[in-house]
Amino acid sequence: GENVEQHPSTLSVQEGDSAVIKCTYSDSASNYFPWYKQELGKGPQLIIDIRSNVGEKKDQRIAVTLNKTAKHFSLHITETQPEDSAVYFCAASYNNDMRFGAGTRLTVKP
Amino acid sequence: NAGVTQTPKFRVLKTGQSMTLLCAQDMNHEYMYWYRQDPGMGLRLIHYSVGEGTTAKGEVPDGYNVSRLKKQNFLLGLESAAPSQTSVYFCASSRQGTLNTGELFFGEGSRLTVL
Repeated sequence: GENVEQHPSTLSVQEGDSAVIKCTYSDSASNYFPWYKQELGKGPQLIIDIRSNVGEKKDQRIAVTLNKTAKHFSLHITETQPEDSAVYFCAASYNNDMRFGAGTRLTVKP
Repeated sequence: NAGVTQTPKFRVLKTGQSMTLLCAQDMNHEYMYWYRQDPGMGLRLIHYSVGEGTTAKGEVPDGYNVSRLKKQNFLLGLESAAPSQTSVYFCASSRQGTLNTGELFFGEGSRLTVL
């Protein structure tokens, strides 16, 4: 089955700096790669996603890149703000079984 | 519009007791899922349903049962709780299956402790 590894597990940045979270996956059949943000006491919420036929996608301060050959994808957050502090999960989807990474706790220091 | 609602939000059980977690969604979604979240392990799929009356096993189904008698409800049952089932449980729903890039809408979670 699919295995998703996510790094780093914790990340601390100063407000205004950029943050990068990286994930690798094992199953070349996976074709959908979403990123979810989980705030304290809440369920995860989709922030951006990318399909296997696209190499990069941007939405304001958030971007995701995908390298299918290397089987890795990354989340980039620019101009970080304190409200970006949360746990971020990457995922890879194959056959209705979405496998998640272990999560990255991002802290943005004001 | 409540989205995905889980009950109860907190529960403490003794080993061997049974319980049911209820998930309700008001978005008319076909697909529903139960995940468990443990520290350092992300979200793991327990069971899912692709429509009313259907269920399927996910990554970690052992010790759990599910039912989808009504489209809007997805129940997760523990017949004989074990300490290893101490976790935070999340229900989710989607209009399309994750195979078809369906966005998951999550509830706020149910924290279960088994003593």
